[in-house]
Amino acid sequence: DIQMTQSPSSVSASVGDRVTITCRASQSISSWLAWYQQKPGKAPKLLIYAASSLQSGVPSRFSGSGSGTDFTLTITSLQPEDFATYYCQQANNFPRTFGQGTKLEI
Amino acid sequence: EVQVLESGGGLVQPGGSLRLSCAASGFTFSNSAMSWVRQAPGKGLEWVSEISGSGGSTYYADSVKGRFTISRDNSKNTLFLQMNSLRAEDTAVYYCAKDILAGYYSEWGQGSLVTVSS
Repeated sequence: DIQMTQSPSSVSASVGDRVTITCRASQSISSWLAWYQQKPGKAPKLLIYAASSLQSGVPSRFSGSGSGTDFTLTITSLQPEDFATYYCQQANNFPRTFGQGTKLEI
Repeated sequence: EVQVLESGGGLVQPGGSLRLSCAASGFTFSNSAMSWVRQAPGKGLEWVSEISGSGGSTYYADSVKGRFTISRDNSKNTLFLQMNSLRAEDTAVYYCAKDILAGYYSEWGQGSLVTVSS
C-alpha cells in the first residue's frame, strides 16, 4: 500500500497569512493526488484533484503543486472559513490512501 | 443538484451485521464509480471500498476484505455496503462518495454512524 505522510500535523496561522501543507507519498504516484478540507462534524470537501486542478467552486486562493512523491497545498490570504483539517489522498492505485491530516488553527 | 444520502447506521454488537445504503440523485448514477470512506471518532479518513459504475469491478481495503461487500442497484440509484462480522474497530462515521475521475471524490453524504459495541 502507498503511505501518505503529511506535514505538519498542525499549524497555527492568522487571517491573511499564507500557509503551505506538504504531502509525501511512499512511492511515485505521478499526479494522482487530491486535497480535501474537512470542518468539524462535516463531510470532506474536494479542493484540488490531479495535484493542481482546482475543483469547481473552490476559491482561487487554494492551489496545489507537485508530482511523483512530493506535493504541496498552498492557501494564500487565509480567510476565517479556511480554519479546518486538510487531507491529501492518492488515487494512483488501490487501496486509496489518505494522509493523516493537517489541522489548521487560528 | 447532486446529492448522496446515507442511511442504515446504528448500534450493533460485535460479530453482528449491518447494511448501509446511499441514495443518489442529480447525476447519472450508472456512469459514476462510488466509494465508501469511513472516519473513526477523532481520527482521520480511511477509504473502505469502491465499485465501478456498472458494478462489475469492486475494490476493498485489507481491513474489511472478506467481511464487507459493496454493491449497487443502478435502477434505483442506490449504493450499498453490507457489513458482516463487525468489530469494535469498525466503529466510525461511514461516508458515501461520488467519484468524479478515477479516485477523486467530489460529492459526499452527511455520513452514517456505525457503532460496534456490546
